Amino acid sequence: EPEVTQTPSHQVTQMGQEVILRCVPISNHLYFYWYRQILGQKVEFLVSFYNNEISEKSEIFDDQFSVERPDGSNFTLKIRSTKLEDSAMYFCASRAVRGNNEKLFFGSGTQLSVL
Amino acid sequence: AQSVTQLGSHVSVSEGALVLLRCNYSSSVPPYLFWYVQYPNQGLQLLLKYTTGATLVKGINGFEAEFKKSETSFHLTKPSAHMSDAAEYFCAVSDNEAAGNKLTFGGGTRVLVKP
Repeated sequence: EPEVTQTPSHQVTQMGQEVILRCVPISNHLYFYWYRQILGQKVEFLVSFYNNEISEKSEIFDDQFSVERPDGSNFTLKIRSTKLEDSAMYFCASRAVRGNNEKLFFGSGTQLSVL
Repeated sequence: AQSVTQLGSHVSVSEGALVLLRCNYSSSVPPYLFWYVQYPNQGLQLLLKYTTGATLVKGINGFEAEFKKSETSFHLTKPSAHMSDAAEYFCAVSDNEAAGNKLTFGGGTRVLVKP
């Protein structure tokens, strides 16, 4: 089965530093998502992205966050100035064109630790 | 707003015994309901989903779930647990079946299978 790939699997950073979490969605997918899970809490929706723009975002996704599809294969989440409370597991997900396969494929996550 | 409650953050079952994971939801519109499984060091995988039609839904690995509108429940069951079922299970709700967009997750239930 095709996979969504996330790198790195673990990221440690200092508070105030910028981090970029990288994802390679499945090649023929056009809808992309970021979710996160703070330890002991629920998986939360952050943002969805289609046609090179954000289609929906949650309240969590403030000005410190941004997403980008810099080329035809990568989908990145940037946190400009990390805070302690940004420590979480971040999941990337993708799916194919609406009306075809609606199944959402998740990556294995990047564990972000902000010190 | 939608929400999902999973009763029991941890469940321990014996190999061969029934697995029952409880999920209750709230939604202001007809819900689309999902169960995802996360094996160690892997991403979230779709087990099964309910959109419309038959209320008993069969998924992969012998799991099934029944949508009960009157009880706002979508409990997951498997008649006979296998050691490979040890994982974390997430119930989720969405109001957009085609996208699975903006999934709202429950807190997850970690299943331990005893030999």
